[in-house]
Amino acid sequence: QKEVEQNSGPLSVPEGAIASLNCTYSDRGSQSFFWYRQYSGKSPELIMFIYSNGDKEDGRFTAQLNKASQYVSLLIRDSQPSDSATYLCAVWGSGGGADGLTFGKGTHLIIQP
Amino acid sequence: DAGVTQSPTHLIKTRGQQVTLRCSPKSGHDTVSWYQQALGQGPQFIFQYYEEEERQRGNFPDRFSGHQFPNYSSELNVNALLLGDSALYLCASSLGINTEAFFGQGTRLTVV
Repeated sequence: QKEVEQNSGPLSVPEGAIASLNCTYSDRGSQSFFWYRQYSGKSPELIMFIYSNGDKEDGRFTAQLNKASQYVSLLIRDSQPSDSATYLCAVWGSGGGADGLTFGKGTHLIIQP
Repeated sequence: DAGVTQSPTHLIKTRGQQVTLRCSPKSGHDTVSWYQQALGQGPQFIFQYYEEEERQRGNFPDRFSGHQFPNYSSELNVNALLLGDSALYLCASSLGINTEAFFGQGTRLTVV
């Protein structure tokens, strides 16, 4: 059974600080990793994807991947109240992607003004 | 450029009825996957369609079926609805499998 684990939170971060979100996965053969942001009552929105070990930066967001440790993280710099949402970590498994994305339950992030 | 569109946005059905949900993928995408999201949970994979065939399915009963049309749009059908089928149903499209998947706005299904 493929699993993706996230701390459900809530994670409370002051405005302007760095928010750090973490995710571990069980399928060692996983190749592709994604972070989605989901506002209450809305659908998930893709904000970052990463395929190789190391860091990938896009604006205020940085995704970090460590395949040896089976660990993915998302850093949000200069956090804004509009960043308050649930962040979902998702993984395409080693089945070539045909078995769909496996999601964690999400981390609820609260940015305090 | 239109993104992924789903219809309807909300739906109320009675237990035992059948429902059909529809999805149009993002322009240029050829693969459609369907997910069910219960409150407070991450989306759960139902099945994926590529080249008009079901490629893989998650742990969902045969009451859940689907179809992909030549224009890559897709339908999700659920028969003999149960109260537990109440959820947000999400369609995601991608260019092939194992690449970035983009979600539609979802269909909120309530079974009473």
